[in-house]
Amino acid sequence: QVQLKESGPGLVQPSETLSLTCTVSGFSLTRYGVNWVRQPPGKGLEWMGTIWNDGSTDYNSALKSRLRISRDTSKSQVFLRMSSLQTEDTAIYLCARLGTGFDYWGQGVMVTVSS
Amino acid sequence: DIVMTQGALPNPVPSGESASITCQSSKSLLFSDGKTYLNWYLQRPGQSPQVLIYWMSTRVPGVSDRFSGSGSGTDFTLKISRVEAEDVGVYYCQQFLEFPFTFGSGTKLEIK
Repeated sequence: QVQLKESGPGLVQPSETLSLTCTVSGFSLTRYGVNWVRQPPGKGLEWMGTIWNDGSTDYNSALKSRLRISRDTSKSQVFLRMSSLQTEDTAIYLCARLGTGFDYWGQGVMVTVSS
Repeated sequence: DIVMTQGALPNPVPSGESASITCQSSKSLLFSDGKTYLNWYLQRPGQSPQVLIYWMSTRVPGVSDRFSGSGSGTDFTLKISRVEAEDVGVYYCQQFLEFPFTFGSGTKLEIK
């Protein structure tokens, strides 16, 4: 069955770089795109970016200068790398498959930006 | 960016009653292919979102037929018939016509 699972550090220092991994199973990254979405505590959803099935990417312009999404198809992994983190980047980070809508989601990983 | 504006519900909604959630987009989501690029999601407490409706009115297989989506190019409604305890959570609309894909701020449903 289709599954996505995020992993990465729970605590990041201000101004540091966040690196997260989304490991997928049950589908191929060469057939489906994957999105990163984040949700600050108690708040709504923000789309961050998409890596398409052909490996091309699109980013939220509000984050574009700090954000990079890449993948390793042989490992079925999608990576998020975001630089210059600030406290307002504290959020749950989720990956979601792009099918008919965002049809499968990971459980999310809580990232706290704090010294 | 396309702004998605969601309405509130008169919570709590009595069990068995209907609830309608509204969503308005700042730009028409109707594309030249005839499809309207609007999704609806439910995020239950402590869970990740799940898609309920895509292309404004197509229900995801396995989703209860108590959920239905309708609308025009800019005004949309998610109707929940005969609300049940399992429907509790926050509902989001999302446009995926153009980047950035934007979500509404969410509408909370509570059941009485």
